[in-house]
Amino acid sequence: GESVGLHLPTLSVQEGDNSIINCAYSNSASDYFIWYKQESGKGPQFIIDIRSNMDKRQGQRVTVLLNKTVKHLSLQIAATQPGDSAVYFCAETYTGNQFYFGTGTSLTVIP
Amino acid sequence: DTEVTQTPKHLVMGMTNKKSLKCEQHMGHRAMYWYKQKAKKPPELMFVYSYEKLSINESVPSRFSPECPNSSLLNLHLHALQPEDSALYLCASSSLFGDQPQHFGDGTRLSIL
Repeated sequence: GESVGLHLPTLSVQEGDNSIINCAYSNSASDYFIWYKQESGKGPQFIIDIRSNMDKRQGQRVTVLLNKTVKHLSLQIAATQPGDSAVYFCAETYTGNQFYFGTGTSLTVIP
Repeated sequence: DTEVTQTPKHLVMGMTNKKSLKCEQHMGHRAMYWYKQKAKKPPELMFVYSYEKLSINESVPSRFSPECPNSSLLNLHLHALQPEDSALYLCASSSLFGDQPQHFGDGTRLSIL
């Protein structure tokens, strides 16, 4: 029979293409946001962060966009590589040490 | 290699056993955390320690007992666990000054028989 319950959203992209991963956060008081990458058998690894007084921040091949009006966060990965295949989580906090994670998105890069 | 070290990597225990998970960091972080992660789900916050004192307990059952012996070590004592407690248990640490990301260990994969 068919399984019931929440499924991890998935995204498949061709190697070299750009990827966009989205996250809707829940608390309008949240003022600090982080994107993590989690590979199979590993703990979450920090990618990039952004504070609520910014709407865009760039790192190496990654950009985070924050839209506080609609409580939306996105992660853009340029020139996606096979090593980018992983589960990506956003995390939010308004206390500075109480972080809550979004559902996550599984990214698969097709060589 | 991760800067937060968790041991053991895998643990299988019966429902009547007592065991402990260990976490160590040497980054000088004064906040340490325990998370529980089920397969294909996000990490769920369990406990937060600030300056070696328990500051947040997210209504975790008493069969999980955290301990922070010093600023580098964090333990999670387990007793009378249930099969639904099988999960990946993640430890993290962070600075308490300003907005700072958490650094995670690779977790302990716990299976309850």
